[in-house]
Amino acid sequence: DADVTQTPRNRITKTGKRIMLECSQTKGHDRMYWYRQDPGLGLRLIYYSFDVKDINKGEISDGYSVSRQAQAKFSLSLESAIPNQTALYFCATSDPTGLTGELFFGEGSRLTVL
Amino acid sequence: TQLLEQSPQFLSIQEGENLTVYCNSSSVFSSLQWYRQEPGEGPVLLVTVVTGGEVKKLKRLTFQFGDARKDSSLHITAAQPGDTGLYLCAGWDTGNQFYFGTGTSLTVIP
Repeated sequence: DADVTQTPRNRITKTGKRIMLECSQTKGHDRMYWYRQDPGLGLRLIYYSFDVKDINKGEISDGYSVSRQAQAKFSLSLESAIPNQTALYFCATSDPTGLTGELFFGEGSRLTVL
Repeated sequence: TQLLEQSPQFLSIQEGENLTVYCNSSSVFSSLQWYRQEPGEGPVLLVTVVTGGEVKKLKRLTFQFGDARKDSSLHITAAQPGDTGLYLCAGWDTGNQFYFGTGTSLTVIP
């Protein structure tokens, strides 16, 4: 089983619908992240959380919200999806005790908003 | 704000050729990572460089961190079709933020 699991892997929805992407991890890391990937733009940070009580906005948080339900679970919500939110979304974790800041990614959730 | 510029954006070469990918920034990073991403999967860490001027080798891949810790390069010797993928650099700063480059899509033709 993957250390970082994302569900769903693929989702097609319509404009205005509420969507939730879920992420769970078995690595025991406190830090979790949500990134968005678009062709030619690399990975852009949406939200991140350093522990259960900590939520921080990233570079492109508008239109998104998150919930850290437990150390192992971090979900991303689109309250009212729009077509330009069509993208590949990645959840990632990192270990704060490490000195070199390495990210461990899930396999991604491909979202299409029609 | 895009802090890391990668070049080239796309690269298509024949099997056996050598190539270099560059990752440049005006910012100083505590460490820099290189990831490889294959279609349908998340990025996977290849290497982390920490010290200015550091060189690390991973089989046919050689990674270098610039002396000022602002830039890095990835050199692949005798590329193989299995090297095909998207290569991403990522800088980590002391504020615990990761900044990703735009990526280099490499295709190695048999």
